[in-house]
Amino acid sequence: DVKVTQSSRYLVKRTGEKVFLECVQDMDHENMFWYRQDPGLGLRLIYFSYDVKMKEKGDIPEGYSVSREKKERFSLILESASTNQTSMYLCASSLPGTRTEQYFGPGTRLTVT
Amino acid sequence: AQTVTQSQPEMSVQEAETVTLSCTYDTSESDYYLFWYKQPPSRQMILVIRQEAYKQQNATENRFSVNFQKAAKSFSLKISDSQLGDAAMYFCAYRGSGNTPLVFGKGTRLSVIA
Repeated sequence: DVKVTQSSRYLVKRTGEKVFLECVQDMDHENMFWYRQDPGLGLRLIYFSYDVKMKEKGDIPEGYSVSREKKERFSLILESASTNQTSMYLCASSLPGTRTEQYFGPGTRLTVT
Repeated sequence: AQTVTQSQPEMSVQEAETVTLSCTYDTSESDYYLFWYKQPPSRQMILVIRQEAYKQQNATENRFSVNFQKAAKSFSLKISDSQLGDAAMYFCAYRGSGNTPLVFGKGTRLSVIA
């Protein structure tokens, strides 16, 4: 079974802190994605990566950066956390191609106070 | 840009009954895939069903089936014999040709009444 794991289920940080959200997948997938999920807004794509050291901006990249130094790991970084970044963050991975399924991690509920 | 619209924020269904969740999308591409994902209260998203745009036959997976109307750009999900475990958020998603990310709708929260 494909497994996508995220470093924390729940995280509480203070405004201005630097926050790292880690995602690891064990199926040698080329593609990895970071979404945030908010009530009434669905899933919005923050960043994605097609390969190691490659990254592409999604729909809402402002205030975020990413790192992909190894194929299995994709990190989301909040350089200076703000209260409007309080959200559920979902990581996903997939093989390349149109028909391929995206596999999701369990999510990290981040609260910024 | 492609968009996906789910017009029903919430739906409910009696156990053992049938429910249909609506999804429309906008695209100028001819080659694409459509997906329905389920997110139970535990929050791990899982794939329910997928449909290739070139296939006229509607996809089915056990109690789940789709009604794919390509000309109308409509992709509804039908759940038959609803079970308590079907209660979840359901997301419709689109992927265009090539290696592009999924585009999601805003979701429909389905409640199943015993």
